[in-house]
Amino acid sequence: DIQMTQSPSSLSASVGDRVTITCRASQSISSYLNWYQQKPGKAPKLLIYAASSLQSGVPSSFSGSGSGTDFTLTISSLQPEDFATYYCQHSYNIPYTFGQGTKLEIK
Amino acid sequence: QVQLQESGPGLVKPSETLSLTCTVSGGSISSYYWSWIRQPPGKGLEWIGYIYYSGSTNYNPSLKSRVTISVDTSKNQFSLKLSSVTAADTAVYYCARQQSYYYDSRTEYYFDYWGQGTLVTVSS
Repeated sequence: DIQMTQSPSSLSASVGDRVTITCRASQSISSYLNWYQQKPGKAPKLLIYAASSLQSGVPSSFSGSGSGTDFTLTISSLQPEDFATYYCQHSYNIPYTFGQGTKLEIK
Repeated sequence: QVQLQESGPGLVKPSETLSLTCTVSGGSISSYYWSWIRQPPGKGLEWIGYIYYSGSTNYNPSLKSRVTISVDTSKNQFSLKLSSVTAADTAVYYCARQQSYYYDSRTEYYFDYWGQGTLVTVSS
């Protein structure tokens, strides 16, 4: 199985901050990498697919980059509603696996 | 707007079979892949398996011996059965749609619509 490792596991930031979350794959996955946001008690919500394509309806403050084994999710200016847990997920092969999550908290 | 809704027992006894159904509304189940994903309380996400509307399946090898996913296109539903459950199978179970896109000569997928999730507890 391809292991997905996110860093950091948790992060404290303030409204208006620029935040970057990193996801590393245990082998090359080209650009087959998706990002999700999950709020407590809710299902994950797709933010980014194919490493850098913004899902329809997602604010342009979210962006993704990377290919191969190293990927980043950037939020350019944090809004109160952005405080949540973020997961990366690869679709390169079976089984699809997710990162362990990055919890973004208010400082 | 596509909506997915999980249904099934919230409590299952150890060694028994967990059974859940996902009902798709606002769109057809045809021409898509459909997945089950679970999340133990306070933990991360684990993909269980998918089914194509035609009935072809693919499962996570870690669960393959215990998992069966089936589809009923006439009801716009797909279902999950997980046998011989233990406390480790206690989780919120989500159903989700896999949307495809074409990149670098391959068809790839992401989960664009999710159900709200249903907590299944394994306990006697």
